[in-house]
Amino acid sequence: QVQLVESGGGVVQTGGSLTLSCAASGFDFNTYAMHWVRQTPGGGLEWVATIRYDGSNSYYPDAIKGRFTISRDNSKNTLFLEINSLRREDTAMYYCAKDVGLREFWSGDLDLWGQGTLVTVSS
Amino acid sequence: DIQMTQSPSSLSASVGDRVTITCRSSQDIRTSLNWYQHKPGIAPKLLIYAASTLQTGVPSRFSGSGSGTDFTLTISGLQPGDFATYYCQQSYNALTFGQGTRLEIK
Repeated sequence: QVQLVESGGGVVQTGGSLTLSCAASGFDFNTYAMHWVRQTPGGGLEWVATIRYDGSNSYYPDAIKGRFTISRDNSKNTLFLEINSLRREDTAMYYCAKDVGLREFWSGDLDLWGQGTLVTVSS
Repeated sequence: DIQMTQSPSSLSASVGDRVTITCRSSQDIRTSLNWYQHKPGIAPKLLIYAASTLQTGVPSRFSGSGSGTDFTLTISGLQPGDFATYYCQQSYNALTFGQGTRLEIK
């Protein structure tokens, strides 16, 4: 079955750290770029990070660069997102998503999403 | 950064209606525009990519058009399962989403 399943969310105190995971199945994980996108309590979607199919490069929006680290283990078909120095505004549902394009031809078009894992940051 | 503005933010319609959602980018993005459907508790679903190409398995009542800075999503003949929130997203430079359009039953 082609799917993405996120895990690792929970309630965390401000300033803490968290690592989210995304288990992929049903497709050749090691040939696609992968992304993290979050949905804030207000409902908006925000791109968080992108990693190339081989993990050789990663990309972040300027607003969050430095606190978030995306990585992947292609041997385990798993994507990760490490978040440090958590802030209340990081409270969101975090989704992993697969890119449409193969290998270096990633496009930013997201054709498969997981159901998300909820991160709540409290003081 | 490229900003995406959707309108309306919410919309009430009946089964069988034809509805149109618009999306405007703050700069020319060619046809690098996608549309997603999102229902609570369910993974978002890609409906249309490259402004007008229907994703495999998506019913033909969904259609997209536009290029440059102005885009539209049209749903012809609303079905009960179509009531959801719709997002546009540009992939021309990084990724940016519109704020969403909530489609509700009238």
